[in-house]
Amino acid sequence: DVKVTQSSRYLVKRTGEKVFLECVQDMDHENMFWYRQDPGLGLRLIYFSYDVKMKEKGDIPEGYSVSREKKERFSLILESASTNQTSMYLCASSLSEGRSSSYEQYFGPGTRLTVT
Amino acid sequence: QQQVKQSPQSLIVQKGGISIINCAYENTAFDYFPWYQQFPGKGPALLIAIRPDVSEKKEGRFTISFNKSAKQFSLHIMDSQPGDSATYFCAASDGHAGKSTFGDGTTLTVKP
Repeated sequence: DVKVTQSSRYLVKRTGEKVFLECVQDMDHENMFWYRQDPGLGLRLIYFSYDVKMKEKGDIPEGYSVSREKKERFSLILESASTNQTSMYLCASSLSEGRSSSYEQYFGPGTRLTVT
Repeated sequence: QQQVKQSPQSLIVQKGGISIINCAYENTAFDYFPWYQQFPGKGPALLIAIRPDVSEKKEGRFTISFNKSAKQFSLHIMDSQPGDSATYFCAASDGHAGKSTFGDGTTLTVKP
């Protein structure tokens, strides 16, 4: 079974703090993704990575950065947390196109971040 | 510009009824159309997916209908059950790094 784990289920941070969200997958997936989920807005892609040290901006990268130093780990960084970054953050991973006939993404359980 | 539009936002169906959720896309480069199901407190999980070379795919009570010319696809849940109550997301991908564009989601409630 593919397993995607996220470091925290719930997190409360103060405005201006630097926040790290960690994601680890155990299935040797090349692709990893960070989304935020807000009611009525679906899943919005923040950043994704298709290889170690490789990253691309998604649809809403402002205020975020990412790090992928190892294949199994993808970190999301909020450099200076703001209240409008209060959200559910979901990590996902998938095999590369060359290793899979589908683009199925496997999601972690999410981190509910509250910035006060 | 929203590339995948999903409707309705919410849906209430009686047990045993048919649930229908619709999606429309704009990018003709999309070649993979999955539906994800999300229960409260969980991450989304793949339910069923289709490629544009077929017009329909069925897995148990779940069917995707795909209309390439209209750039639309829909999820049909036959004999809906209370356990189907969840949020459903359609998505579309062009294969670049496995990236998918998601619809806004539909909250389905199946009443017993």
